[in-house]
Amino acid sequence: SQKIEQNSEALNIQEGKTATLTCNYTNYSPAYLQWYRQDPGRGPVFLLLIRENEKEKRKERLKVTFDTTLKQSLFHITASQPADSATYLCALGIRGNTGGFKTIFGAGTRLFVKA
Amino acid sequence: DARVTQTPRHKVTEMGQEVTMRCQPILGHNTVFWYRQTMMQGLELLAYFRNRAPLDDSGMPKDRFSAEMPDATLATLKIQPSEPRDSAVYFCASGFNPPPDTQYFGPGTRLTVL
Repeated sequence: SQKIEQNSEALNIQEGKTATLTCNYTNYSPAYLQWYRQDPGRGPVFLLLIRENEKEKRKERLKVTFDTTLKQSLFHITASQPADSATYLCALGIRGNTGGFKTIFGAGTRLFVKA
Repeated sequence: DARVTQTPRHKVTEMGQEVTMRCQPILGHNTVFWYRQTMMQGLELLAYFRNRAPLDDSGMPKDRFSAEMPDATLATLKIQPSEPRDSAVYFCASGFNPPPDTQYFGPGTRLTVL
């Protein structure tokens, strides 16, 4: 069956450390993968996108890797801050049958950064 | 600062009533998505449109849900009749083709069906 798995348990880290979140998928062949941030009571906010032919992308303190052989993406936040505390969602871009791309979201990982 | 807007933000209704949720996508975006989010199922894609035409609504219960785009500035999601299991937060998102679609989400409509 098709699955997207993210750490179901919350991740607690100390301010200044690097947070690493994992996204594994099964029986999908995504054309691209995205990471979104969601705060309580709000809609998800786009952070980064990486295509199937890319290995790594960076944006400021964020880094994402994409290994299509392992079917895994890692999302890193360096020099983490309490303001980074949120839920982070992994999303796969899947070619649809009728054109365009469907986005399939993982359940998300809750990150807590302690001061 | 362009944003996706959704109305209403909260809706409480009784089982069997019709519910209509509205979304105004960001001007110039040509794809619109409807999602439902619950604690149990997470964020589920219900339907999406490109240039106002439905591309995929396979995630939507067809017997009670319908999604339309009467014009480029309005997308609607209707539930008739509503059931308690429809209680969730419904998000609209818009984006710009060609892919990959970076999606801009609205604030959501929190629906409670009693």
